Amino acid sequence: QKEVEQDPGPLSVPEGAIVSLNCTYSNSAFQYFMWYRQYSRKGPELLMYTYSSGNKEDGRFTAQVDKSSKYISLFIRDSQPSDSATYLCAMSDYNQGGKLIFGQGTELSVKP
Amino acid sequence: DTEVTQTPKHLVMGMTNKKSLKCEQHMGHRAMYWYKQKAKKPPELMFVYSYEKLSINESVPSRFSPECPNSSLLNLHLHALQPEDSALYLCASRGGTSGTFTYEQYFGPGTRLTVT
Repeated sequence: QKEVEQDPGPLSVPEGAIVSLNCTYSNSAFQYFMWYRQYSRKGPELLMYTYSSGNKEDGRFTAQVDKSSKYISLFIRDSQPSDSATYLCAMSDYNQGGKLIFGQGTELSVKP
Repeated sequence: DTEVTQTPKHLVMGMTNKKSLKCEQHMGHRAMYWYKQKAKKPPELMFVYSYEKLSINESVPSRFSPECPNSSLLNLHLHALQPEDSALYLCASRGGTSGTFTYEQYFGPGTRLTVT
């Protein structure tokens, strides 16, 4: 079993839809959670960074962490074609020496 | 400004060539990383430098040789690569300054390497 599980998709939604992307994990020591967006042939771009449980909102993006269920989510409101990309979750704990453990990435396509 | 720059953007090299990839950040970050990414896969950690010292080597073959000349620069020297080494090579730096690390990493745009 992988430490971090993420549905690879692909996920296709119409423009304006609410998108929900999710990751589950097995290591209860993870405390630091990130979401990255990666356009084709580009480097990953940090979208959201959260510590421990709770919600964080930034514009159309909301990140949620539920440590009791070992489950994190990224919601995208009013999705746009420019949101079409691969979304990677990543996480770490104090003992990882700065290593990030990535999910496999979810490929999202937003159709006009 | 959360920018990590990488050069070159693209590199084609033969199996007998020697080349270098370069990475630079001016955010005052004290940890820098090299990753390798194959198509439709997440980044795979290769090396970590912390305060200009190599702290993690993920059992990478010796044909990849990292170097950290100063706190802003990171190089990856390549020699006698194989076609299966063709990939996107990403550099990243870890947040935090003044001796305090945070956990998020900022990635550069990558160097797309093709080995012929």
